[in-house]
Amino acid sequence: AQSVAQPEDQVNVAEGNPLTVKCTYSVSGNPYLFWYVQYPNRGLQFLLKYITGDNLVKGSYGFEAEFNKSQTSFHLKKPSALVSDSALYFCAVRGSSNTGKLIFGQGTTLQVKP
Amino acid sequence: DAGVIQSPRHEVTEMGQEVTLRCKPISGHNSLFWYRQTMMRGLELLIYFNNNVPIDDSGMPEDRFSAKMPNASFSTLKIQPSEPRDSAVYFCASSFESGPNYEQYFGPGTRLTVT
Repeated sequence: AQSVAQPEDQVNVAEGNPLTVKCTYSVSGNPYLFWYVQYPNRGLQFLLKYITGDNLVKGSYGFEAEFNKSQTSFHLKKPSALVSDSALYFCAVRGSSNTGKLIFGQGTTLQVKP
Repeated sequence: DAGVIQSPRHEVTEMGQEVTLRCKPISGHNSLFWYRQTMMRGLELLIYFNNNVPIDDSGMPEDRFSAKMPNASFSTLKIQPSEPRDSAVYFCASSFESGPNYEQYFGPGTRLTVT
């Protein structure tokens, strides 16, 4: 069965420093991977996805993610964090090859301190 | 595009009352999802429609919950009777399933409080 794990409940980083939010996955077949962000009292917003091709995927707000097949990881990164990046981040994987269902991780809270 | 529209944004009701949540997906999208989010349980998928047909309702908690999608531009999630443990934020999301496109777009949510 498809699954995704976010090993950290919270990540703390100082403004201006690089940030990484970790995600590992388990799938049968080719993975379709996604990152979403949720700001307080808002719905989830799509950030980026990996389907195929270049292992480094660029998305919204300066975020990028690196697909690593051998480590079954899809970590979210940003070179220089902003206080406004503080939010809840979800990694997701497509449920299977014949469904549009996404399996979400439990979420990681990112705190960026000035 | 207006995005996914949900109504109401907030709902406060008493235990035992019927609650109906509404969703208008993004025009042209062919899949619709209802989620529930709580601190304790995180984000849970309740039901998933494709081309207005329910595909997976394994996440619907119990018979008190029902969902319909009478056409491509409207869906409802009904709770009858409501209970305090149903208090949560309910999200609707839509997507266009074709080729590499499976990202879902979420509405702003309905915050339900059952007293």
